[in-house]
Amino acid sequence: GENVEQHPSTLSVQEGDSAVIKCTYSDSASNYFPWYKQELGKGPQLIIDIRSNVGEKKDQRIAVTLNKTAKHFSLHITETQPEDSAVYFCAASSSGNTPLVFGKGTRLSVIA
Amino acid sequence: DAGVTQSPTHLIKTRGQQVTLRCSPKSGHDTVSWYQQALGQGPQFIFQYYEEEERQRGNFPDRFSGHQFPNYSSELNVNALWLGDSALYLCASSLGGGQYAPKTQYFGPGTRLLVL
Repeated sequence: GENVEQHPSTLSVQEGDSAVIKCTYSDSASNYFPWYKQELGKGPQLIIDIRSNVGEKKDQRIAVTLNKTAKHFSLHITETQPEDSAVYFCAASSSGNTPLVFGKGTRLSVIA
Repeated sequence: DAGVTQSPTHLIKTRGQQVTLRCSPKSGHDTVSWYQQALGQGPQFIFQYYEEEERQRGNFPDRFSGHQFPNYSSELNVNALWLGDSALYLCASSLGGGQYAPKTQYFGPGTRLLVL
């Protein structure tokens, strides 16, 4: 089955700097890669997703890149703000009925 | 437009007891997936319901069972609770139908279960 590895497990950045979180996956059939942000005491919130027919997707300060050959994808947050502090999860799935397989998460701290 | 809702928010049970958790999907969604999130870990898939049937199941024992109602809401039942069942239980909803394109899943706030 699918296995998703996520790095780093913790990340501290200064406000205004960029943050990058990387994930690798094992199943070449995976073709959907969402990213979720989870704040303390809340459920995961979808922040951006990418499908395998594109290599990059951007939404304001957030971007995701996908390299299907190398089986890795990354989340890029620019101009970080204190409210970006949270745990971020990457995930992967293939067909419509296949469940999401999550990485173990990255705790991002943005220091003002 | 209401998002995914779950009840209760918190629950405390003792070993051996049974628990029922509830989920109402996002308006217009017909598929509900349940995940277990242990402390410090990513969510782990339990099962998925579509058209009132269990469509997919993860690596969880038969003590975990579920149900989907005609209005698409869902319940997760756990029998014979263990200490290890203590976790955040998340419900995610999506729009089902075709099997080919992976569906975007939206999560609820979760139910935090503590087993003593």
